[in-house]
Amino acid sequence: KAGVTQTPRYLIKTRGQQVTLSCSPISGHRSVSWYQQTPGQGLQFLFEYFSETQRNKGNFPGRFSGRQFSNSRSEMNVSTLELGDSALYLCASRANYEQYFGPGTRLTVT
Amino acid sequence: DQQVKQNSPSLSVQEGRISILNCDYTNSMFDYFLWYKKYPAEGPTFLISISSIKDKNEDGRFTVFLNKSAKHLSLHIVPSQPGDSAVYFCAADVQGAQKLVFGQGTRLTINP
Repeated sequence: KAGVTQTPRYLIKTRGQQVTLSCSPISGHRSVSWYQQTPGQGLQFLFEYFSETQRNKGNFPGRFSGRQFSNSRSEMNVSTLELGDSALYLCASRANYEQYFGPGTRLTVT
Repeated sequence: DQQVKQNSPSLSVQEGRISILNCDYTNSMFDYFLWYKKYPAEGPTFLISISSIKDKNEDGRFTVFLNKSAKHLSLHIVPSQPGDSAVYFCAADVQGAQKLVFGQGTRLTINP
């Protein structure tokens, strides 16, 4: 079974721009979660989608949003980028309790 | 407020010996715990998990122990191998919430 895939793997944006990241879950997994990893804050939960509905949300500003499609693929969007948004963005999918992560998208904001 | 803590940023172990990674949590609502291994520039890889109704779970060289009264869990790797060198994260969840809370990670180095 193919793992979680994320595109793009690397991205460079400038402050004020917006960005969209994509995640394809493991086949059959309906839940997709997003996390941000930074050196200072570690791995932090952004949000979780299940059957196209956001079920959980972490403590991030409204500039961070997401959606899930009927095929369980998910996108997250960050608007009005700030330097502090530079991070590794990880997507994870699950069928039961364990979450399986993709390789991440490394976003650099300049 | 760090709800999940890994107090050792790094650990160095000789090949063939036991590696013990520790994790403490503060939220008594957590009822499911997971360990992940992470290499640079890759996503975390799931290793092993444990539900709060158990105190031990084994999978090959990996064993996780949970002490609920102390709010402490540990991951034992026996025997340690060079390929085990990575950053290890413990994570906690409330079943049904699917909102993993991660520790800061411990960098494990296995020396030949």
